[in-house]
Amino acid sequence: AQSVSQHNHHVILSEAASLELGCNYSYGGTVNLFWYVQYPGQHLQLLLKYFSGDPLVKGIKGFEAEFIKSKFSFNLRKPSVQWSDTAEYFCAVNPSSYSSASKIIFGSGTRLSIRP
Amino acid sequence: SQTIHQWPATLVQPVGSPLSLECTVEGTSNPNLYWYRQAAGRGLQLLFYSVGIGQISSEVPQNLSASRPQDRQFILSSKKLLLSDSGFYLCAWSRVGGTEAFFGQGTRLTVV
Repeated sequence: AQSVSQHNHHVILSEAASLELGCNYSYGGTVNLFWYVQYPGQHLQLLLKYFSGDPLVKGIKGFEAEFIKSKFSFNLRKPSVQWSDTAEYFCAVNPSSYSSASKIIFGSGTRLSIRP
Repeated sequence: SQTIHQWPATLVQPVGSPLSLECTVEGTSNPNLYWYRQAAGRGLQLLFYSVGIGQISSEVPQNLSASRPQDRQFILSSKKLLLSDSGFYLCAWSRVGGTEAFFGQGTRLTVV
């Protein structure tokens, strides 16, 4: 079965530190990839997405992610975090982009805490 | 523009009682529809998804069921709630062909 793994459950950083959150998926076919963010008390928002083309995608708020097909990975990065980035981050995979059955599978999430 | 409505926002139900959570999408046709449950430390667990009226795929065998009586309506149900059904339930939709999911505000269900 398809799955998404986020190995970091809770990450604590100081402001201005660099961030990298890991995401690996298990599916051998074509995939669409997403990172979502959930700020405290708010609903899930899309940070960025990858469908095809340049494997380095840029999203909102200075986030970017790199798709490495050979590693089945889609890690999220930000060069310098801010206190306002405190949130929970979810990686998601849509493993069947060409069929009408579009399952979207999420990882377990990574809680990011930023120390001011 | 498209919007998704999910209600109620919070619900407290006794063990053994039935459940019906409703989700509707506006501004699009033939969406893919999803029910997820979000639990702390477990992320979003896909419960059901639907690609059309009456077409339901179940991802996790459990005490819940889903129905899609209309194109843009998705209902999560249970005949008899268990304590373990407590959680945060999210409805979502996506366009056919595989795009990002757009989420409702969620329902906090507490079974007592």
